[in-house]
Amino acid sequence: EAGVAQSPRYKIIEKRQSVAFWCNPISGHATLYWYQQILGQGPKLLIQFQNNGVVDDSQLPKDRFSAERLKGVDSTLKIQPAKLEDSAVYLCASSSRLAGNTIYFGEGSWLTVV
Amino acid sequence: GESVGLHLPTLSVQEGDNSIINCAYSNSASDYFIWYKQESGKGPQFIIDIRSNMDKRQGQRVTVLLNKTVKHLSLQIAATQPGDSAVYFCAENRAGGYQKVTFGTGTKLQVIP
Repeated sequence: EAGVAQSPRYKIIEKRQSVAFWCNPISGHATLYWYQQILGQGPKLLIQFQNNGVVDDSQLPKDRFSAERLKGVDSTLKIQPAKLEDSAVYLCASSSRLAGNTIYFGEGSWLTVV
Repeated sequence: GESVGLHLPTLSVQEGDNSIINCAYSNSASDYFIWYKQESGKGPQFIIDIRSNMDKRQGQRVTVLLNKTVKHLSLQIAATQPGDSAVYFCAENRAGGYQKVTFGTGTKLQVIP
């Protein structure tokens, strides 16, 4: 079974530039998550989708971050404009009630803002 | 406030010994608890979980213990191997309409050969 796919794996941008990350969840997983993990910390949930609807975006900095999952499968996370403190790993994950709700993570997209 | 925290940031263990990683939580309404392992440069990997109606669950070389009285969770790794070196996170899932998983800070396990 293919895992959660993310791209790009690494990205370096200057502050005030924009960046987009893409995620393809495990096939059939209705729930998709974007987490932000700053070095030395645990992952922090940014946004959670159930199919193509948002169920939790309470910790998403909406002035600069946006995410969508238009067809209920792939998702993109965008940051515009980026700040230095956005340097982190952005982890996409997915889960399915039929699979016991275990959350499976991708390898992450490493963002450095300079 | 609600939190999931760990007692020790770094744990060094001799190869072959048993490891115990501890975690405290504060939300008594949590539905279940999960341990994840994160190796350098990779995403967190599910290890084992435990429901709030259980106090012990065993997997292959791992055991999770849940003490709801003191809101404490532990992960025991038997016969620790170099491949067990990683950061371990406990996470709690607060049910209520949809699942919401909150991660703690993490404990770095260093296995000494």
